[in-house]
Amino acid sequence: GAGVSQSPSNKVTEKGKDVELRCDPISGHTALYWYRQSLGQGLEFLIYFQGNSAPDKSGLPSDRFSAERTGGSVSTLTIQRTQQEDSAVYLCASSRRQGANNEQFFGPGTRLTVL
Amino acid sequence: GEDVEQSLFLSVREGDSSVINCTYTDSSSTYLYWYKQEPGAGLQLLTYIFSNMDMKQDQRLTVLLNKKDKHLSLRIADTQTGDSAIYFCAERPSYNTDKLIFGTGTRLQVFP
Repeated sequence: GAGVSQSPSNKVTEKGKDVELRCDPISGHTALYWYRQSLGQGLEFLIYFQGNSAPDKSGLPSDRFSAERTGGSVSTLTIQRTQQEDSAVYLCASSRRQGANNEQFFGPGTRLTVL
Repeated sequence: GEDVEQSLFLSVREGDSSVINCTYTDSSSTYLYWYKQEPGAGLQLLTYIFSNMDMKQDQRLTVLLNKKDKHLSLRIADTQTGDSAIYFCAERPSYNTDKLIFGTGTRLQVFP
């Protein structure tokens, strides 16, 4: 079956512009996660959804970042007034949230470059 | 706080064993994971261990967990060039959240 897909794969934007990043989880996965991978750093948790609600959004760096999920499926991460420090690879993952280990399946990521 | 540390690089000869180490700070960790990231590919779960276990073996992979010292290791036996990748250690800090806390990743380079 299809894996987690993300679009666009690459996004170059000017400082101050807004961007939207999209994630399509694996069909049937109820949980969806957003992480950020900056150059030379590990993955940084941003937010996760269970269904359409976000039990944990503690990782969002500032109020310029927001995310929503509709229909228990697609999610959009929005960054307003982008800054150069927002440049990173944004990774989405999904899981069934069943089983002992709750394995998260990752998408290929969106590489965001803010000029 | 929640913090996961790894060394940045490891270089091994093909056929030798590789040991990648990870330390974490959260004493309430529930599960610990090893993910692999190959160039141009997404993260792939390699293996995981529950926090009340000491060891888990899965073919060429052996995970050791020292909960007292908050130390996790991944041993890859008979390392192959195809094992060259970045390996991330991650922890799930509690049962109350599904988020994972990742380390910075260890780049494993295997040379002939």
